[in-house]
Amino acid sequence: NAGVMQNPRHLVRRRGQEARLRCSPMKGHSHVYWYRQLPEEGLKFMVYLQKENIIDESGMPKERFSAEFPKEGPSILRIQQVVRGDSAAYFCASRYRNTEAFFGQGTRLTVV
Amino acid sequence: AQSVTQPDIHITVSEGASLELRCNYSYGATPYLFWYVQSPGQGLQLLLKYFSGDTLVQGIKGFEAEFKRSQSSFNLRKPSVHWSDAAEYFCAVGGGNNDMRFGAGTRLTVKP
Repeated sequence: NAGVMQNPRHLVRRRGQEARLRCSPMKGHSHVYWYRQLPEEGLKFMVYLQKENIIDESGMPKERFSAEFPKEGPSILRIQQVVRGDSAAYFCASRYRNTEAFFGQGTRLTVV
Repeated sequence: AQSVTQPDIHITVSEGASLELRCNYSYGATPYLFWYVQSPGQGLQLLLKYFSGDTLVQGIKGFEAEFKRSQSSFNLRKPSVHWSDAAEYFCAVGGGNNDMRFGAGTRLTVKP
């Protein structure tokens, strides 16, 4: 059983471009969480999704950011018109019900 | 709403000394509690978890944590720290609604 897979591991985008971050949860896990970690800072909750539903997006910026977790395929975190302040590590975690969360290795986004 | 507070942003201990990292949580019902460790450039790895039962839980790498309901705390301890324990440590709380929130993290530095 493969762990949580995130790709790409590193992503470089120019200001104004779009960034798409993918997360494939562990097999059988239907709960996905996205977190952002800025340099020298802790984890900040962004969004919690179940299959085809956004459960809690209270940590998502109101503009430019969106997330989905379709019935088939990975969860996608999409950032439109990236700015330098979006540079961070983005982590995805998955869970099965109330067990512990398993984390991917993260995607490190650099906006130049 | 559930939340987690890790009062110490950065802790430095000497190798061989004992360690205690503090975690306080806010949650309306019986919480599920977790400690994770993050090495530089890596994702998060689960150290230990508490769901129910014995309030003193043992984890990997010689870590343990004690759930104290009266103090809303779940502090992480290790009797003798090794240089390889230098990392960022995150406390997390989850519950029956499948939500999961993390503290801001505590960075541990180990002096020779």
